[in-house]
Amino acid sequence: GENVEQHPSTLSVQEGDSAVIKCTYSDSASNYFPWYKQELGKGPQLIIDIRSNVGEKKDQRIAVTLNKTAKHFSLHITETQPEDSAVYFCAAPVSPGYSTLTFGKGTMLLVSP
Amino acid sequence: ETGVTQSPTHLIKTRGQQVTLRCSSQSGHNTVSWYQQALGQGPQFIFQYYREEENGRGNFPPRFSGLQFPNYSSELNVNALELDDSALYLCASSSGQGDYGYTFGSGTRLTVV
Repeated sequence: GENVEQHPSTLSVQEGDSAVIKCTYSDSASNYFPWYKQELGKGPQLIIDIRSNVGEKKDQRIAVTLNKTAKHFSLHITETQPEDSAVYFCAAPVSPGYSTLTFGKGTMLLVSP
Repeated sequence: ETGVTQSPTHLIKTRGQQVTLRCSSQSGHNTVSWYQQALGQGPQFIFQYYREEENGRGNFPPRFSGLQFPNYSSELNVNALELDDSALYLCASSSGQGDYGYTFGSGTRLTVV
């Protein structure tokens, strides 16, 4: 099955700075890579995802990049705001085409005003 | 009603007891997955139900069982509770097999003492 590793485990930035979180995966056949944001007391919420046929996807201040050769994908948040503070998880399918996801261990992002 | 709702939000049980957690899927979603999230970890897949049948299971013992009902609501049952079962239990619904578009509920925080 798929194995997903996520770094860093914690990330502190000043408001307005950029934040980057990276994940690596083990199965070269994996084809879907979502990112979830989990705020305190809430379930994970999908914020952006990318499929293996593209290298980058943007949605306002967030973007995800995918490097299939190196088997890693990254979340980029620009112009960070205090409300971006949360735990972020990357994920990948347990096996290609199977809708069950395996998650990374999470990154706690703290944005200081 | 939109969104995934879970009940109860918090629960305290004694080791050896049994517990039932409930989930109401998002309207139109016929697939439900349950995840266990230990403190400081990413969600771990327990099992998935599609049209009232279990169609995938993670590395959890048989004392973790589930049901999905015709209205696509579901239950997670855990027998013979152990201290290590203390975690946040998340329900996620999606619109069908192969659909990665999970909507998570806010979870049930289970504490086993």
